[in-house]
Amino acid sequence: DAKTTQPPSMDCAEGRAANLPCNHSTISGNEYVYWYRQIHSQGPQYIIHGLKNNETNEMASLIITEDRKSSTLILPHATLRDTAVYYCIVRVDPALTGGGNKLTFGTGTQLKVEL
Amino acid sequence: GAVVSQHPSWVICKSGTSVKIECRSLDFQATTMFWYRQFPKQSLMLMATSNEGSKATYEQGVEKDKFLINHASLTLSTLTVTSAHPEDSSFYICSARGGAGGYNEQFFGPGTRLTVL
Repeated sequence: DAKTTQPPSMDCAEGRAANLPCNHSTISGNEYVYWYRQIHSQGPQYIIHGLKNNETNEMASLIITEDRKSSTLILPHATLRDTAVYYCIVRVDPALTGGGNKLTFGTGTQLKVEL
Repeated sequence: GAVVSQHPSWVICKSGTSVKIECRSLDFQATTMFWYRQFPKQSLMLMATSNEGSKATYEQGVEKDKFLINHASLTLSTLTVTSAHPEDSSFYICSARGGAGGYNEQFFGPGTRLTVL
């Protein structure tokens, strides 16, 4: 799976949009971009994933550049409860591998949402 | 979404004892379960992958005789830390994935905090 690079930490004011970048310049054509987050002392939580089109769900939006070498996770209105470590992971679609391929977690971005 | 539970949520034990951690998929059948370990201020590290009814596959550097994994049913996997020592103190997290007709994504449990005195 391709390696990702994320800033170690970011701050965001409550109510504002949080934009978390991720670089994945070695991504392959069949690899998806996944985002998970981990609130302190909890298990990771799936947020969103995409291949090349922008994606949106109830939690966030995912913007993937046209060359797919980078992406941005957007939390449109960050709250204090969004304070967490956000992990960007690139992996082959588990539907193609029967879901058996690993999730490799990097160091992620510690997002701190403040009043 | 799919729900995965872990029990216990935290445990304190004496050095040399064994500790069992359970991971259950509550609303789906998990053909594959994964066990991770996370030390303070570090990322999750995959320890092993287990498929129902077969032996677990351990990552390099993880002692299979120390970390016993049993995945005897489609909803339950257990991790037993044998002869635990203080360096085994960590946050242990499981995830589960459903098989055909189920989920292809991994859903994570809430984690188990192990402290070995």
